[in-house]
Amino acid sequence: DQQVKQNSPSLSVQEGRISILNCDYTNSMFDYFLWYKKYPAEGPTFLISISSIKDKNEDGRFTVFLNKSAKHLSLHIVPSQPGDSAVYFCAASKDNYGQNFVFGPGTRLSVLP
Amino acid sequence: GAGVSQTPSNKVTEKGKYVELRCDPISGHTALYWYRQSLGQGPEFLIYFQGTGAADDSGLPNDRFFAVRPEGSVSTLKIQRTERGDSAVYLCASRTSGKGNTEAFFGQGTRLTVV
Repeated sequence: DQQVKQNSPSLSVQEGRISILNCDYTNSMFDYFLWYKKYPAEGPTFLISISSIKDKNEDGRFTVFLNKSAKHLSLHIVPSQPGDSAVYFCAASKDNYGQNFVFGPGTRLSVLP
Repeated sequence: GAGVSQTPSNKVTEKGKYVELRCDPISGHTALYWYRQSLGQGPEFLIYFQGTGAADDSGLPNDRFFAVRPEGSVSTLKIQRTERGDSAVYLCASRTSGKGNTEAFFGQGTRLTVV
């Protein structure tokens, strides 16, 4: 069973517009969530995270929203730039130290100039 | 080093052979993870080390897979009697110790191809 789901395999957005990537999880024990970005032939790069005690975390153009009751989180990128084109992975873990991360299957974002 | 380093970056081996993949984590990071990523999928957890010991090896698919971290720094993932289904990108990540939510930093991966 897939504990972390990203139901959109791909997303295309016009440069300058907002990109919204969604993630759902099934395990209510998850309390720390992260987004990673991955370019071809590179390892995943950490983007932004959120703890379950918060519902929003913002870092520049990137904002992550967490809805615990719905077991849903989303990543907003605004404004989107062509350099944001990559595969985005949502990840979750059960506690704040040491536990492994469970990754979703990823969403490929294409930002069109 | 500045980041997590994995060697080799690419490895082609024949079915049935033995391979070793190396990970050099960020200096001072006591937590080290191995993940495997197949095409079109997210990274899949294999094993987690805290210091020298494997704190969680529940992700290893079978007993052909083994990993060590003898001195609490460099780790080696070992795969015996490789099969074509083992072909994937093997990712290593490290993380700081201590409490608090922290992200894991990934290496660039080793692409293993079993022919």
